[in-house]
Amino acid sequence: GAGVSQTPSNKVTEKGKYVELRCDPISGHTALYWYRQSLGQGPEFLIYFQGTGAADDSGLPNDRFFAVRPEGSVSTLKIQRTERGDSAVYLCASSPTRGWGYTFGSGTRLTVV
Amino acid sequence: KQEVTQIPAALSVPEGENLVLNCSFTDSAIYNLQWFRQDPGKGLTSLLLIQSSQREQTSGRLNASLDKSSGRSTLYIAASQPGDSATYLCAALLLTQGGSEKLVFGKGTKLTVNP
Repeated sequence: GAGVSQTPSNKVTEKGKYVELRCDPISGHTALYWYRQSLGQGPEFLIYFQGTGAADDSGLPNDRFFAVRPEGSVSTLKIQRTERGDSAVYLCASSPTRGWGYTFGSGTRLTVV
Repeated sequence: KQEVTQIPAALSVPEGENLVLNCSFTDSAIYNLQWFRQDPGKGLTSLLLIQSSQREQTSGRLNASLDKSSGRSTLYIAASQPGDSATYLCAALLLTQGGSEKLVFGKGTKLTVNP
């Protein structure tokens, strides 16, 4: 596609529920990244994929968070047993290869009530 | 640990003014530095990317400079317009020997250009 697409744009869920956030990167981009942005803060790194594998998941806050990219294109960020502190904007970005500029999607605003 | 700081946190200027946004980073071993714009409730739009070997990049009314040795970057906006109102974020890209990379962001400067 022309840009990075994220769905849904907004998600409201109850505490304890499971959510999935989807990212469609730019076609042909091998590198994919997830970031999380809390109100008034800059985005913080969660996980980086190169192809199908997670090259670095050191930013995932705990084991309730997991991300996959099974075919090297679309990625899904999964959050189990959501907590109110998970409320944030989740941003996805892609890049043609390591070390190039990033293109970000519009984000998914997650609200846990 | 790389830390990125942006000053000021907020800036309000009259239309037509030239302005400078500042970004500093603690670790000079960056691969590149990227400036983004973020409108309320929106994602990030890339404005300029400066490779570590470069000193500056220009796009229209925007000019970004990079001084790795002092750990500083500036974004210069000429002849500001109300449409420039947004939050501006700088981010330093770090590459690791393990094959990973990550952008480290500042908290941003919220710019308001008044008509």
